[in-house]
Amino acid sequence: ETGVTQTPRHLVMGMTNKKSLKCEQHLGHNAMYWYKQSAKKPLELMFVYSLEERVENNSVPSRFSPECPNSSHLFLHLHTLQPEDSALYLCASSPSRTLAETQYFGPGTRLLVL
Amino acid sequence: KQEVTQIPAALSVPEGENLVLNCSFTDSAIYNLQWFRQDPGKGLTSLLLIQSSQREQTSGRLNASLDKSSGRSTLYIAASQPGDSATYLCAVKGNDYKLSFGAGTTVTVRA
Repeated sequence: ETGVTQTPRHLVMGMTNKKSLKCEQHLGHNAMYWYKQSAKKPLELMFVYSLEERVENNSVPSRFSPECPNSSHLFLHLHTLQPEDSALYLCASSPSRTLAETQYFGPGTRLLVL
Repeated sequence: KQEVTQIPAALSVPEGENLVLNCSFTDSAIYNLQWFRQDPGKGLTSLLLIQSSQREQTSGRLNASLDKSSGRSTLYIAASQPGDSATYLCAVKGNDYKLSFGAGTTVTVRA
């Protein structure tokens, strides 16, 4: 148990649906991250939040909309996705964005867009 | 932009054999380097973290080396066991504090 939970674990959605991914960390960390992991490709950083403020947005399409209501929760709102958005979406947290400590990852949400 | 490459992409060995996993990166101006393990359908677990000023880290049967000047790191797993079967990811933290990942090496240890 890493202290980072993600729901749902699996999600199938059509291109016209709207859904949300949820991440919760119980570690008292101040930084949270969304990553995308596609088959046979490296993890791609999508968004970084530090103390509830978005500090990174790596050219992610607007059909992905993050939300961080407090330091323990992070959401990724999805709408009008494309089949190429099918991937494993991983949430992570760390004590601080800038310190040398490791990030702690959740188990991920496996997303399939039809 | 930092590029991280892991070779080989997949590896299959009999139980008891030592494993050698390679990672290379293009920009030597790094903050630290980490090795992670990922089991199927699960998130990442940190195995070893090497600061840029260090040459190696050890934990049990695992040893990771870092040669920053040549942009290389190697993860050694001694006396492999079937439970070591997983995907191993190398990640480099740059001075911008971002983690850049390799695509991973998928290891199968045959009983």
